This record gives sequence, C-alpha cells and structure tokens, in this order.
Amino acid sequence: SQTIHQWPATLVQPVGSPLSLECTVEGTSNPNLYWYRQAAGRGLQLLFYSVGIGQISSEVPQNLSASRPQDRQFILSSKKLLLSDSGFYLCAWSVQRNQPQHFGDGTRLSIL
Amino acid sequence: GQQVMQIPQYQHVQEGEDFTTYCNSSTTLSNIQWYKQRPGGHPVFLIQLVKSGEVKKQKRLTFQFGEAKKNSSLHITATQTTDVGTYFCAGRRDSGYSTLTFGKGTMLLVSP
Repeated sequence: SQTIHQWPATLVQPVGSPLSLECTVEGTSNPNLYWYRQAAGRGLQLLFYSVGIGQISSEVPQNLSASRPQDRQFILSSKKLLLSDSGFYLCAWSVQRNQPQHFGDGTRLSIL
Repeated sequence: GQQVMQIPQYQHVQEGEDFTTYCNSSTTLSNIQWYKQRPGGHPVFLIQLVKSGEVKKQKRLTFQFGEAKKNSSLHITATQTTDVGTYFCAGRRDSGYSTLTFGKGTMLLVSP
C-alpha cells in the first residue's frame, strides 16, 4: 500500500534562517506531489505542485521554493524565513491531478 | 481565478442534530471532492463526485453534486461526537489544466 512520510512534525525557527521540509511517498510511481500551507487551522493554500522529476509549478509568489530531486521525494525550502511563513505545511500526493489527494501528517512551523 | 466558497464557516450542534455544509464554485467543476480534518490532524479524503446531480451516501453522510456542477453539499444525519472536525470541499475547473481548489472549510463542533 502507499504511504506518505513528512518530517519534521514540528519546527521552531528564527526569522532569517533557512528551511528544508522533506516529503517522501512509498508504494507508487510517478505520483503528482503537492505542498500546501494551512494558516490558523483553516483553509488550504496550494504552494507548489509537481507532475514529475524536476517539474515544479508555483501557485503563489513567495520566498519559498520546491524541488523534486527524485520521483517520490518533494522538498520545500527557503533561504530566509519570514514571520509570515509560520503555519501548518502539508505534503500530499495523488495518482493523477484529478484524483483524490492523500496527505502527510504535516509540519507545524513556528517562526520566532 | 477559480473560487470555491463554503458556508457556514463554523457550526456547533448538539449530538443527534443534523448538519449540512454547502460548497459553491464560481466556475463549472469537472469533479468535487470532500475531505475531513480532525483537530490536530491532516485532511483525509472522504469521497469524489463526478456526475451532474450525483448523490452518494456513506452511512450517515450524504453528498450531493449540483445539476450545474457548480455546487455541492455534505449532510450528516444525527451527528455524533466523532463527527467533530473541519470539512473541506475541493473542486477542479472543468477545462484546461488546473489543480484542485479547496474551500476554506466548515468547522463542526458536536456537544454531547
């Protein structure tokens, strides 16, 4: 069966520090991968999605970036975190873009 | 861009009462998906509706997709405390290459 792993579960970082969140999927090939941010426990904002290795689409301009170095690995990064980057970051995968998405457990990021 | 609106934002019911959340899109959707997020957890896929006027049931949950494929609803009969959480709808535009757009969710609180 397919599983999705996301880490770390929680992270506290100072303003201006770099960020790297990792997500891996097991049990499937060539998944569509997504990064979302959920602020204040409410709506899901799509940040990036990828349909294949090295293919990244950005939905919103920001100081975050994403990379997909391997088929089942998706990384969210920042060179310098802002206070506004605080939130709950969720990685998800789907077989195809119009198919159900399966979410990881998320990373709660606090910027101090 | 595509917008998916959900109402109400929040509802507090007594156990045994019914609950309904509504989802409306500014554009015609190819499909609509519903997710549930328990407090502190991640969104979990519930169901997908594809056909105009489609109705699907999962035990006490009834999902409907409007005839015009621009709105949907989730109805819970006789709520239980286990129904607590935030319910999200997510739809994809019925043309071109687009990703899922999530509504802001309806937070349901059930008192025993």
